[in-house]
Amino acid sequence: DTAVSQTPKYLVTQMGNDKSIKCEQNLGHDTMYWYKQDSKKFLKIMFSYNNKELIINETVPNRFSPKSPDKAHLNLHINSLELGDSAVYFCASSQREAYNEQFFGPGTRLTVL
Amino acid sequence: DQQVKQNSPSLSVQEGRISILNCDYTNSMFDYFLWYKKYPAEGPTFLISISSIKDKNEDGRFTVFLNKSAKHLSLHIVPSQPGDSAVYFCAASAYSGYALNFGKGTSLLVTP
Repeated sequence: DTAVSQTPKYLVTQMGNDKSIKCEQNLGHDTMYWYKQDSKKFLKIMFSYNNKELIINETVPNRFSPKSPDKAHLNLHINSLELGDSAVYFCASSQREAYNEQFFGPGTRLTVL
Repeated sequence: DQQVKQNSPSLSVQEGRISILNCDYTNSMFDYFLWYKKYPAEGPTFLISISSIKDKNEDGRFTVFLNKSAKHLSLHIVPSQPGDSAVYFCAASAYSGYALNFGKGTSLLVTP
């Protein structure tokens, strides 16, 4: 009964490939997020969706495209992977009224070779 | 530009003693502050929060203090337990925003 789940947990791929990371939450939340934790351990917001609509799109390359088929899912697709994309990607969700208490998934460690 | 700063990357405390983790922020629009705890290979877990209308919030062994004039907050853990050993992230947000702005974290080690 995991609240926020991500698949896969580990992803190793070659430069130039396209990959996707899936995220699902069963908390009934209406807002979902993607964060990136880089090698310096800095957690930074990438995207936020509220009721399937894009709310936040930080300065993320166009190669990153989030897709929200419904309120419970927010997938991240990455085209033409680069070495600098290697990081841990965290999905999170919240109920807007809960004023930003966000629940995080376990993370996906992406390694680009 | 990092708007939330945790200047101590690590802290070691003896079991039973108080742990004090500090956090500073630069954006005066921030009005809600949270602490998250993170174990290796897991996602951050919400610990405690405080809104800008308060200067203290307590939950069991955990207390967060907010000094708005100094743009500073701290997390006190009393008494510290070995299971508290983790990385603690300070985060802040503005009411009008959705994103959390995180510090780089402080790794707490509680020794028996």
